[in-house]
Amino acid sequence: EPEVTQTPSHQVTQMGQEVILRCVPISNHLYFYWYRQILGQKVEFLVSFYNNEISEKSEIFDDQFSVERPDGSNFTLKIRSTKLEDSAMYFCASSTVGADTQYFGPGTRLTVL
Amino acid sequence: EDQVTQSPEALRLQEGESSSLNCSYTVSGLRGLFWYRQDPGKGPEFLFTLYSAGEEKEKERLKATLTKKESFLHITAPKPEDSATYLCAVQAYPNQGGKLIFGQGTELSVKP
Repeated sequence: EPEVTQTPSHQVTQMGQEVILRCVPISNHLYFYWYRQILGQKVEFLVSFYNNEISEKSEIFDDQFSVERPDGSNFTLKIRSTKLEDSAMYFCASSTVGADTQYFGPGTRLTVL
Repeated sequence: EDQVTQSPEALRLQEGESSSLNCSYTVSGLRGLFWYRQDPGKGPEFLFTLYSAGEEKEKERLKATLTKKESFLHITAPKPEDSATYLCAVQAYPNQGGKLIFGQGTELSVKP
């Protein structure tokens, strides 16, 4: 069964450093998403991406964040200068169309020291 | 503001003891309601999608129902392996980007 994959599973970084989280969405899906979940809190929407551009972004997704589909299979989230409060689980998801079911990856745990 | 509230926050059941989880939502217009299961340290695993009031979906011991204001996830004769956090999420109109709004989740524990 096709699934969303994410790497790395755990990333530890120093405050102020840049990190890139990687995702491989399900192959025939066209919409891609990033969500985050701070420990003990709700899953929060960050951004959606379709046809090589951002469809929607939340208030959390400020200038420190960017997304990219560098090739036909990968989808990345970059945080330019990490802050302590960026520590969270980051989930990638994909769907065939915007209103369809979103399938989530296993997540990347980001720890900012 | 679009909102999703789940209750209870935590639920402890004995194996075989049926119960229901609630998801109340306030949205400008419902595009879809989604139920996910999340195990500790893992990503949400899709269970059901519901689009209109009166709709019902079933899978093994789980049954999801939808009204105009809330959804229920009924668990019949649960087993210990059903222990997880169950998440409810909605998509609201006018939604161009597919954004899901999640509730806090219900942490279910089923004891043998």
